[in-house]
Amino acid sequence: KQEVTQIPAALSVPEGENLVLNCSFTDSAIYNLQWFRQDPGKGLTSLLLIQSSQREQTSGRLNASLDKSSGRSTLYIAASQPGDSATYLCAVKEATSGTYKYIFGTGTRLKVLA
Amino acid sequence: DVKVTQSSRYLVKRTGEKVFLECVQDMDHENMFWYRQDPGLGLRLIYFSYDVKMKEKGDIPEGYSVSREKKERFSLILESASTNQTSMYLCASIPWGGAGGPGNEQYFGPGTRLTVT
Repeated sequence: KQEVTQIPAALSVPEGENLVLNCSFTDSAIYNLQWFRQDPGKGLTSLLLIQSSQREQTSGRLNASLDKSSGRSTLYIAASQPGDSATYLCAVKEATSGTYKYIFGTGTRLKVLA
Repeated sequence: DVKVTQSSRYLVKRTGEKVFLECVQDMDHENMFWYRQDPGLGLRLIYFSYDVKMKEKGDIPEGYSVSREKKERFSLILESASTNQTSMYLCASIPWGGAGGPGNEQYFGPGTRLTVT
């Protein structure tokens, strides 16, 4: 059974720091991995989607990498800002025939201090 | 611009009531999902629909049913609301991604915070 883990559960950093968020999954048979941001009490906003054939994706100050064989993805945030404070979640789509399921991690709660 | 809307941001219902949560997407997406999100448990899939009138159970379907009469609208129904259904409910859609397919980005609605008293 696929399990997705995000460590640490919470992180607090000073403004301007570069940081890395981690996402691990137990079964490398995935179709894609997606990173989301969630602000308190709100829905999820898609940040980056990496297909299983890709190694990384970039959007602005965000860079996500995928190493399927080791079951890991990282989200790199450059020059963090207080506005980056949110919970970051990753989700994988299992490459199991006949399934539409996405498995989510429980997230990393990030606080960027001004 | 991609848009998924949910009928209410906050809802308070009494135990035993029948509750309808509505989700509408304007992107002509085939696949729609209902999740609930609880602290420490993350997002859990309740039901999903891969076409009009087609649905499949997710991981926690007990106490819920769904309806998809039109492509753009996916409704979650709590047949008889109970206090353990107090939660944040999130709707999502993806454009395609048939059985075994890779699919594309999931787009989420703003969520409905349901409290059952």
